[in-house]
Amino acid sequence: AQSVTQLGSHVSVSEGALVLLRCNYSSSVPPYLFWYVQYPNQGLQLLLKYTSAATLVKGINGFEAEFKKSETSFHLTKPSAHMSDAAEYFCAVSGRGNAGKSTFGDGTTLTVKP
Amino acid sequence: DTAVSQTPKYLVTQMGNDKSIKCEQNLGHDTMYWYKQDSKKFLKIMFSYNNKELIINETVPNRFSPKSPDKAHLNLHINSLELGDSAVYFCASSQQATSTDTQYFGPGTRLTVL
Repeated sequence: AQSVTQLGSHVSVSEGALVLLRCNYSSSVPPYLFWYVQYPNQGLQLLLKYTSAATLVKGINGFEAEFKKSETSFHLTKPSAHMSDAAEYFCAVSGRGNAGKSTFGDGTTLTVKP
Repeated sequence: DTAVSQTPKYLVTQMGNDKSIKCEQNLGHDTMYWYKQDSKKFLKIMFSYNNKELIINETVPNRFSPKSPDKAHLNLHINSLELGDSAVYFCASSQQATSTDTQYFGPGTRLTVL
């Protein structure tokens, strides 16, 4: 069994401020973790993924996430928000042997204020 | 070139009708998926095919029937449409059906049942 909880359905930051989107997971097997971004009226696009190599994962558009097993977390960060980062962000978890089946969180809407 | 494409982009229909959504990927991937995203943006997997074989079949009404004529195509047929079927349906593909593979999403089909 696997699940993901994204803390905060809406996050608002000022342009240039730190972005922190929280994700906690639960998995009965070693997890693989993903962050996806969805811009309005578009499909999801992979930002980054953790597949049991380095715990600090760097992705596209300046985003990174750190896998913390002790905290069962995989929070997404970006040092300086840009207006173009405004979107919906989804954390997802899968596990070995799940045949590609990912369980998604409920999503976090990121708003960037000028 | 669009990697994962879906047709139609919008679909408005009456309750009780039967409709189909088509998906094609030109990435040479072996695995394809259907997801449903509801009005609260909650994303849930419905089906997955690997090399034209059904490998994931979630708890979905049997009014929904996927069909994969070949590895590059995965269609979704819905019989006797209901109001609750209104959602955005996303097709996705991945290289293989492994839990670490990146999934590439199509732009979505917005289905509205009146």
